[in-house]
Amino acid sequence: GQQLNQSPQSMFIQEGEDVSMNCTSSSIFNTWLWYKQDPGEGPVLLIALYKAGELTSNGRLTAQFGITRKDSFLNISASIPSDVGIYFCAGLNYGGSQGNLIFGKGTKLSVKP
Amino acid sequence: NAGVTQTPKFRVLKTGQSMTLLCAQDMNHEYMYWYRQDPGMGLRLIHYSVGEGTTAKGEVPDGYNVSRLKKQNFLLGLESAAPSQTSVYFCASSYSPGQVTGYTFGSGTRLTVV
Repeated sequence: GQQLNQSPQSMFIQEGEDVSMNCTSSSIFNTWLWYKQDPGEGPVLLIALYKAGELTSNGRLTAQFGITRKDSFLNISASIPSDVGIYFCAGLNYGGSQGNLIFGKGTKLSVKP
Repeated sequence: NAGVTQTPKFRVLKTGQSMTLLCAQDMNHEYMYWYRQDPGMGLRLIHYSVGEGTTAKGEVPDGYNVSRLKKQNFLLGLESAAPSQTSVYFCASSYSPGQVTGYTFGSGTRLTVV
């Protein structure tokens, strides 16, 4: 089946630093998504990307849909302690009545104040 | 705004016991999904439903059954729990699979099978 390779697995950074994580796939996706999961909670959507090459921002977060449609990255600028959590990329292909999010394995972000 | 509600939040089962996890959504969403999350594995789809009375298998369906008797509820059943089913289970719902901004996740059920 389709798989997403997300890296890095974990990051330990100082408050104020910028963060970059990425996701690659052997398959093409129509849509790329980035989620954040706080401890004890479900994933919450941060950014959705719909077109190859698309660059989208949401506050301090910026994400891009790769030209080949097989990759995406997420940048967080000027990290703050509340950025702590697990970040997941997800790819989506849909057609007809079916559609399924394929998730990466996550990047665990720790921020030192 | 309740969104997606999962019950229970925590449960410990003995091997061989059965249980049902309940997912309820109040957004009139057609599509509902059950995922499991294991350390270092991300979220994997167990079963999903495209509407009341319909269900379909996802990536890891073995050992689970589901039912969607009412549009707002999606039940996940374990007939004979095994330690390999120790995981955190998440339910999600959406209007359609293409409306990704409308995917809403519940807060999860942490299940331990001993």
